[in-house]
Amino acid sequence: GENVEQHPSTLSVQEGDSAVIKCTYSDSASNYFPWYKQELGKGPQLIIDIRSNVGEKKDQRIAVTLNKTAKHFSLHITETQPEDSAVYFCAASRGFNKFYFGSGTKLNVKP
Amino acid sequence: GAVVSQHPSWVICKSGTSVKIECRSLDFQATTMFWYRQFPKQSLMLMATSNEGSKATYEQGVEKDKFLINHASLTLSTLTVTSAHPEDSSFYICSARGQGGDTQYFGPGTRLTVL
Repeated sequence: GENVEQHPSTLSVQEGDSAVIKCTYSDSASNYFPWYKQELGKGPQLIIDIRSNVGEKKDQRIAVTLNKTAKHFSLHITETQPEDSAVYFCAASRGFNKFYFGSGTKLNVKP
Repeated sequence: GAVVSQHPSWVICKSGTSVKIECRSLDFQATTMFWYRQFPKQSLMLMATSNEGSKATYEQGVEKDKFLINHASLTLSTLTVTSAHPEDSSFYICSARGQGGDTQYFGPGTRLTVL
């Protein structure tokens, strides 16, 4: 089955700096890669996603890049704000069925 | 759009009792719903996938007789934890996907504590 690895497990940045979280996957047939943000005690919230036919997608301060050859994808958050502090999960899926989640990254944005 | 609700948000029960958790898609029809379990500071663990009107498909290691899943309508799925024990205490989260949709939209989760 698919195996998704996520790094780093924790990330501390100063407010205004950029944050980058990286994920690798093992199944070359995976074609959908969502990113979720989870605040303490709440369910995950979709923040951005990318399909395998696209190399990059951007939504305001958030962007995701995908390298199919290397089988890795990354989340980029620019101009970080304290409210960006949360746990972020990447996931990979083949045909939009079962999602394979990474282990999560706890992002701490220091004011 | 794409709002998923769960009820209750938290529940405390005695060991040996059964607990039912509801998952509803509020503004779309969910042909597929997923149930996850999450331990503190860990990732989401898929328990089962349910399609409306069909029996749920359970992941390896998940007891189907203990975690009963019903997906009777396009907007409602329920998870019943039968004869709950303290080791069943966890954060249970559902997600839903619409027909032809790609992503999963998650509910807010239910915190179950078994005494």
